Amino acid sequence: EADIYQTPRYLVIGTGKKITLECSQTMGHDKMYWYQQDPGMELHLIHYSYGVNSTEKGDLSSESTVSRIRTEHFPLTLESARPSHTSQYLCASRQTGRNTEAFFGQGTRLTVV
Amino acid sequence: GQQVMQIPQYQHVQEGEDFTTYCNSSTTLSNIQWYKQRPGGHPVFLIQLVKSGEVKKQKRLTFQFGEAKKNSSLHITATQTTDVGTYFCAGTNTGNQFYFGTGTSLTVIP
Repeated sequence: EADIYQTPRYLVIGTGKKITLECSQTMGHDKMYWYQQDPGMELHLIHYSYGVNSTEKGDLSSESTVSRIRTEHFPLTLESARPSHTSQYLCASRQTGRNTEAFFGQGTRLTVV
Repeated sequence: GQQVMQIPQYQHVQEGEDFTTYCNSSTTLSNIQWYKQRPGGHPVFLIQLVKSGEVKKQKRLTFQFGEAKKNSSLHITATQTTDVGTYFCAGTNTGNQFYFGTGTSLTVIP
């Protein structure tokens, strides 16, 4: 079983609220990713990090921000939630190297009302 | 930019029928990985292929990596209801960028 955890699993929040989705892994992986996904659909990369103090935006335009102060922790923050942010958010990590698999957390299902 | 497309996007099959999903990259890949996501779950790694023309099998699943290392396929023989889910390929390009494919959602009708 992968040691990567996301909290909360489910979140219902009002429009305009600031929220932080937590992601932690205990595998010492350098590479971490955030994906947005509607059920059974494509994984949209919104942010990634290749190590401490390294963060990059992904292919999907997003009003979210991330930080990577510690190797194991990669939180995602939405400054002002909107109904269009309603989706599932998946965090993943990989060890450095080309031929390494990605491990996913259980995901956070976010609903903005 | 890098694109990894999968076809079909959706597939409905009768239980017992075969299923194939195809993965096509716009650039050469160092490797190809396949993941399965059960409904309500998260993607889980199935297998990795690294060599040009490589073929690997896992029980009823057969994975192929193209000779040019730009495409791959996953074939399931005699589908079962437990095969339901979304199948993603993922590749690493020569610039060490890691990309997921667009996914194929499989429904198996009992």
